[in-house]
Amino acid sequence: KNEVEQSPQNLTAQEGEFITINCSYSVGISALHWLQQHPGGGIVSLFMLSSGKKKHGRLIATINIQEKHSSLHITASHPRDSAVYICAVLGNQFYFGTGTSLTVIP
Amino acid sequence: EPEVTQTPSHQVTQMGQEVILRCVPISNHLYFYWYRQILGQKVEFLVSFYNNEISEKSEIFDDQFSVERPDGSNFTLKIRSTKLEDSAMYFCASIKAGTQSYEQYFGPGTRLTVT
Repeated sequence: KNEVEQSPQNLTAQEGEFITINCSYSVGISALHWLQQHPGGGIVSLFMLSSGKKKHGRLIATINIQEKHSSLHITASHPRDSAVYICAVLGNQFYFGTGTSLTVIP
Repeated sequence: EPEVTQTPSHQVTQMGQEVILRCVPISNHLYFYWYRQILGQKVEFLVSFYNNEISEKSEIFDDQFSVERPDGSNFTLKIRSTKLEDSAMYFCASIKAGTQSYEQYFGPGTRLTVT
């Protein structure tokens, strides 16, 4: 049983493209995290959301609590954005999605 | 900027041996977590720790696992008798104190290899 589902699993984009990664969840949550995992394995927190929308630079994250859905958008994608993007939700514990592997080609 | 540190970066151990993975969370953080990621698989929650006790644990966190905050700075994960399937990357994380933001700060991970 997967409490968190992400799509797509893999994504290849040309540099400059607008990218959307989706996350749906089935449990009640108090917060949703978007994380970035680089090829070396390190994990960085990008956003924590409990409602609405947040923006950091070229990254935008939205959440719809009623629909139990969140999206991560990357505008003007760049090869350095290549990484695995993970959605994680905080219910009674943290539940993680399987990640979306993004490759941005120059 | 303060960061979460983990030691060792890589630990190789024989099946049946005990291992202790160490984490130093950010100093004013109060909520601590251990996660594992088996190679090629998703990150999995193991345990959360607050106020010197376990607040939540997953099905993975059985009697072979224990956590401690022995001295107010270190946060350790002990596996009593390692199995081959314990081979994974183990991440420690902590959450900022005194806010409702729940933003997590992750350590770089310890790669555990059980042979």
